[in-house]
Amino acid sequence: GAVVSQHPSWVICKSGTSVKIECRSLDFQATTMFWYRQFPKQSLMLMATSNEGSKATYEQGVEKDKFLINHASLTLSTLTVTSAHPEDSSFYICSGSGSREQYFGPGTRLTVT
Amino acid sequence: KNEVEQSPQNLTAQEGEFITINCSYSVGISALHWLQQHPGGGIVSLFMLSSGKKKHGRLIATINIQEKHSSLHITASHPRDSAVYICAVETSGSRLTFGEGTQLTVNP
Repeated sequence: GAVVSQHPSWVICKSGTSVKIECRSLDFQATTMFWYRQFPKQSLMLMATSNEGSKATYEQGVEKDKFLINHASLTLSTLTVTSAHPEDSSFYICSGSGSREQYFGPGTRLTVT
Repeated sequence: KNEVEQSPQNLTAQEGEFITINCSYSVGISALHWLQQHPGGGIVSLFMLSSGKKKHGRLIATINIQEKHSSLHITASHPRDSAVYICAVETSGSRLTFGEGTQLTVNP
């Protein structure tokens, strides 16, 4: 199947700093990318949907000014967690879709101290 | 009530057993996905189906659109099948809504 990579795979940052997570589709063009968050022992929650070249659509309750999403090309989307707080510590997963299938990245574990 | 309900939440089996995980949903969907998440967190897409039945190796997925129900079966289970299995329904714009997941443990 198609491959989606995420970088970094894990990151620890101090409260108040910003962290950028990259999501790349390696062997297909992802016209749509999705960002999910998963807290321990819980299922994935969709944060936002981004289409290449346009603004992301955020789910209710997700702060667009805090979670900045950029989808500048068909192979790269970035999620920036601004002014991170300990409650932002979570597992962030992206997925890319070029047609009907969705391909998931391996996830990024963010710990904010 | 969640839009996507899975059962059981936890399942322990002996190697070789036939396993069934169920998923019920309450919304109109364009497709249903079965996903596998290993302890490290990475997610693998197992099936995407909108009708009938699909088979891949020892895995079989079925869906009944009228009853809004899907099942994932694993034949001849193996310890390496131990993982969390997640049912997700696809609605408008490829948006996925996830079930809580089923933690499967297969003992040797």
